[in-house]
Amino acid sequence: SSELTQDPAVSVALGQTVRITCQGDSLRSYYASWYQQKPGQAPVLVIYGKNNRPSGIPDRFSGSSSGNTASLTITGAQAEDEADYYCNSRDSSGNLYVVFGGGTKLTVL
Amino acid sequence: EVQLVESGGGLVQPGGSLRLSCAASGFTFSSYDMHWVRQATGKGLEWVSAIGTAGDPYYPGSVKGRFTISRENAKNSLYLQMNSLRAGDTAVYYCARDVGLSILDVWGKGTTVTVSS
Repeated sequence: SSELTQDPAVSVALGQTVRITCQGDSLRSYYASWYQQKPGQAPVLVIYGKNNRPSGIPDRFSGSSSGNTASLTITGAQAEDEADYYCNSRDSSGNLYVVFGGGTKLTVL
Repeated sequence: EVQLVESGGGLVQPGGSLRLSCAASGFTFSSYDMHWVRQATGKGLEWVSAIGTAGDPYYPGSVKGRFTISRENAKNSLYLQMNSLRAGDTAVYYCARDVGLSILDVWGKGTTVTVSS
């Protein structure tokens, strides 16, 4: 099965821009989705597809992809964006196999 | 309102069994692939299983042969039968809706499974 690799931790100053990356072979075939998870809560989808936001997700969240790397960018990070962020995609083997990244802890300073 | 509600978690001894349920509401359950994802305390998300609209199941190697996913569309329900449980299966178990290409757009709040003697 495939694997997705994320940096364990990233920090950003309040109001600045931060990029969280996700690398893996499956991303050459499938877009990554991104999930935000705050302590004690279920994950929330924030970006999917080429660069799509579900209803209610602020437009400071955006996504991009190149080769085997997907990125989640937060432009003008807010205190409430401090959370764990996970990427996932369909596994390279297809069907409904899923792979998740290990997660990135975002700290807003 | 689209909603998923998990139940059935609890404390079980190693080697024991447990059946989780996920009740879906607010959408046409039969039209969606569904997943179980788990998260051990302080760890990341781990995909546990998926089931297609036709009832086709999928598992990672870590649970294949021990876990069985199923669905009952008439009851808008998803299930996960977990056998031969191990300490490493201790986690919060979430069910999630797949809107295509493993995009999981709705998640339940989770149910906690603890495997301990």
